[in-house]
Amino acid sequence: NAGVTQTPKFRVLKTGQSMTLLCAQDMNHEYMYWYRQDPGMGLRLIHYSVGEGTTAKGEVPDGYNVSRLKKQNFLLGLESAAPSQTSVYFCASTDGSTGYEQYFGPGTRLTVT
Amino acid sequence: AQTVTQSQPEMSVQEAETVTLSCTYDTSESDYYLFWYKQPPSRQMILVIRQEAYKQQNATENRFSVNFQKAAKSFSLKISDSQLGDAAMYFCAYRSYSGTYKYIFGTGTRLKVLA
Repeated sequence: NAGVTQTPKFRVLKTGQSMTLLCAQDMNHEYMYWYRQDPGMGLRLIHYSVGEGTTAKGEVPDGYNVSRLKKQNFLLGLESAAPSQTSVYFCASTDGSTGYEQYFGPGTRLTVT
Repeated sequence: AQTVTQSQPEMSVQEAETVTLSCTYDTSESDYYLFWYKQPPSRQMILVIRQEAYKQQNATENRFSVNFQKAAKSFSLKISDSQLGDAAMYFCAYRSYSGTYKYIFGTGTRLKVLA
């Protein structure tokens, strides 16, 4: 049981490049989330999903897209990276039936130059 | 909209002493969950403790306990017998009991434990 995993752990992009972050969970959770963490700002919700095939915008969705084609995977895409997207990205999941605890992945540190 | 405020960016505590981290929140809802998460230098977010708003009894988990004051919308975390391994960022979080599936996080408190 690996819990929540994220790929990659580190990435450096040049401005304008694109990339996809992969989040996978093996706990059969319905709900999945993408956050970004910046110094002094806590965790801010980018997008979330309440089930396979569904996604919704969070607090800071601009510049990001997501997809949830399979229940266990939640992908975060950056179409044209900008320096303002330099951050640590966390994926989380919850099953929504046992106290709503969120299980987090280890994070991805992304630097956009 | 709900908000979560952690007014202490940084706190220090001597090893074996007790420290309390503050969290206040704003909501018009009556049912919700509150959480404290720990983020050590490894970056991994770990659940410390959870409180359901409908429960009057304060949650406890070993050396960690909360002081939940629903009327005051306050949710502080007390760490007793502090250990070096408690050094981390601590985040307070709020989630509605129903409806929205979103979690609202505070900006965090960095806890330093002095040997």
